[in-house]
Amino acid sequence: GAVVSQHPSRVICKSGTSVKIECRSLDFQATTMFWYRQFPKQSLMLMATSNEGSKATYEQGVEKDKFLINHASLTLSTLTVTSAHPEDSSFYICSAGDRGLRGYTFGSGTRLTVV
Amino acid sequence: SQQGEEDPQALSIQEGENATMNCSYKTSINNLQWYRQNSGRGLVHLILIRSNEREKHSGRLRVTLDTSKKSSSLLITASRAADTASYFCATATNTGNQFYFGTGTSLTVIP
Repeated sequence: GAVVSQHPSRVICKSGTSVKIECRSLDFQATTMFWYRQFPKQSLMLMATSNEGSKATYEQGVEKDKFLINHASLTLSTLTVTSAHPEDSSFYICSAGDRGLRGYTFGSGTRLTVV
Repeated sequence: SQQGEEDPQALSIQEGENATMNCSYKTSINNLQWYRQNSGRGLVHLILIRSNEREKHSGRLRVTLDTSKKSSSLLITASRAADTASYFCATATNTGNQFYFGTGTSLTVIP
């Protein structure tokens, strides 16, 4: 149980375009989802916390208008990187949890390359 | 598995005391990271130590790494009630693209 699916696993996009990443909880209802980014050989950095039905809470230094998060249902959260630039190239990963679960399950991540 | 294991699983101390948590792992790593998670919140990165480093400090945090023993320790000095949280270690492989989390240490600091 507690499976989180993240899609796509890899995406290459042109500078200036937008990219949407989906994070789905397959067998549980995720009241909370977290979005992280990770640069090569560095640690995960928490970007934002999203609770179903409410606005996401962004960490300091993360641009709300650039990284749009929508958590419209208990099984789906999306992260849209708007007007992507090469410096947005990174590994993005989500995790999802439920109040009834002991912990959080991570998705498999999305490798974004902006050219 | 490569998953790290933290020890102890739970730790309860008085405010002002030092807290030490240990992490062991199984395979070669590029770096090891410590994270903190407050109840119901996301992971927050605390400190990263690379495989060629032995000790690192950040404020009240001190991390050591012994690659020969495949272990790391996190020391929180002069603990505060606000330090109450779960602490996880995570190891990153040499490709840098995969990381493995341990099971965590639940720290309670009593005011």
